[in-house]
Amino acid sequence: QVQLVESGGGVVQSGRSLRLSCAASGFAFGFSGMHWVRQAPGKGLEWVAVIWFDKNEKYYADSVKGRFTISRDTSENILYLEMNSLRAEDTAVYFCASPTYYDPYAMDVWGQGTTVTVSS
Amino acid sequence: QSVLTQPPSVSAAPGQKVTISCSGSSSNFGNNFISWYQQLPGKAPKLLIYDNDKRPSGVPARFSGSKSGTSATLAITGLQTGDEADYYCGTGDSSLSVGVFGGGTKLTVL
Repeated sequence: QVQLVESGGGVVQSGRSLRLSCAASGFAFGFSGMHWVRQAPGKGLEWVAVIWFDKNEKYYADSVKGRFTISRDTSENILYLEMNSLRAEDTAVYFCASPTYYDPYAMDVWGQGTTVTVSS
Repeated sequence: QSVLTQPPSVSAAPGQKVTISCSGSSSNFGNNFISWYQQLPGKAPKLLIYDNDKRPSGVPARFSGSKSGTSATLAITGLQTGDEADYYCGTGDSSLSVGVFGGGTKLTVL
């Protein structure tokens, strides 16, 4: 079945780096756009980044631009989020999500999330 | 502050109908579809509505969506206690090529 499984979260000091992974299975990962979305404790959803399969274009929220990098390994069906210069405000549960065929911003498959805590 | 605006909370009794609004701007609503998500406590979001008014397989017909101009609405009829959750609208911003969400609405079934 279609499944996304995130990993790589943990506790990290402010200013350090962390790489999240999202293992995909059950669908054509190489032909799908993929998103990262995060949710700070007690807060709403915040869109973080997207990578599109055609042209491999990548886009980021202003809050992470220049610090986070989204990438993928289509041979291993893994999505990554490299997070540098982490700040306390990056503390959140991070979800990877794949969009529907019809609407690239409607996310119909979500992982369970991985928690990132940035300590000062 | 979220790009899309939703009421922080709504409430209604079991069996009743509730609507949740979502408003945006021409850059996000203009040429893009609106989607709606349900998030139960401690869980990942679940897609309820896509393309403004379409339901994924398995989502009950009690959930419906509509869009007009720069506003969208999620309607839930025949409310059940299990519908208590946070609801989010979402879309893309054509001018910036980014995704955006509403701030979320907490539904209480009294």
